[in-house]
Amino acid sequence: GDSVTQMEGPVTLSEEAFLTINCTYTATGYPSLFWYVQYPGEGLQLLLKATKADDKGSNKGFEATYRKETTSFHLEKGSVQVSDSAVYFCALSNTGTNAGKSTFGDGTTLTVKP
Amino acid sequence: NAGVTQTPKFQVLKTGQSMTLQCAQDMNHEYMSWYRQDPGMGLRLIHYSVGAGITDQGEVPNGYNVSRSTTEDFPLRLLSAAPSQTSVYFCASSRQAWSSPLHFGNGTRLTVT
Repeated sequence: GDSVTQMEGPVTLSEEAFLTINCTYTATGYPSLFWYVQYPGEGLQLLLKATKADDKGSNKGFEATYRKETTSFHLEKGSVQVSDSAVYFCALSNTGTNAGKSTFGDGTTLTVKP
Repeated sequence: NAGVTQTPKFQVLKTGQSMTLQCAQDMNHEYMSWYRQDPGMGLRLIHYSVGAGITDQGEVPNGYNVSRSTTEDFPLRLLSAAPSQTSVYFCASSRQAWSSPLHFGNGTRLTVT
């Protein structure tokens, strides 16, 4: 079946540092890929998405590019802020027999220190 | 715009008790789903529905029942609570099952003693 593997955390950075969180996936067909963010005590919320190969999703300074050749969707931000501290989840949503069954990575906890 | 509303926010049950976690969305989304979140295990799909009257099992369906009589509501029933069901439960909805992002509720934290 489909699976998502995320870079293990936790990750601790200083403010204004560069962020990369790795995400690779295994899936048949042409899944859509997502990054979600979860702040303490809240549900997940969409950060960005890409629906086909070479698409780049971006939002709030975060970016991720759908790389079909390496089955990856790494999250990057050039300069993190304290307010970016949260848990980040990579996820995929597929078609065919797996339609409706979104698959999530285990999450990566990011802490940004002033 | 309320989005996805889950109740209750917190619940403590004794082993063997039953209860229903409520989920309602006001976005006219066809697709709804239930996940549980456990430390170090990400989110695991319990049940999902692609429209009113249609439900299907996810990755971890045992011990849970669902029904979808309306587009708006998707309750999750615990038939006989067990300590292994201690978790945080999230309901989510989306416009369609594939390329649309999920909209999540704020979760229900359930403890079974």
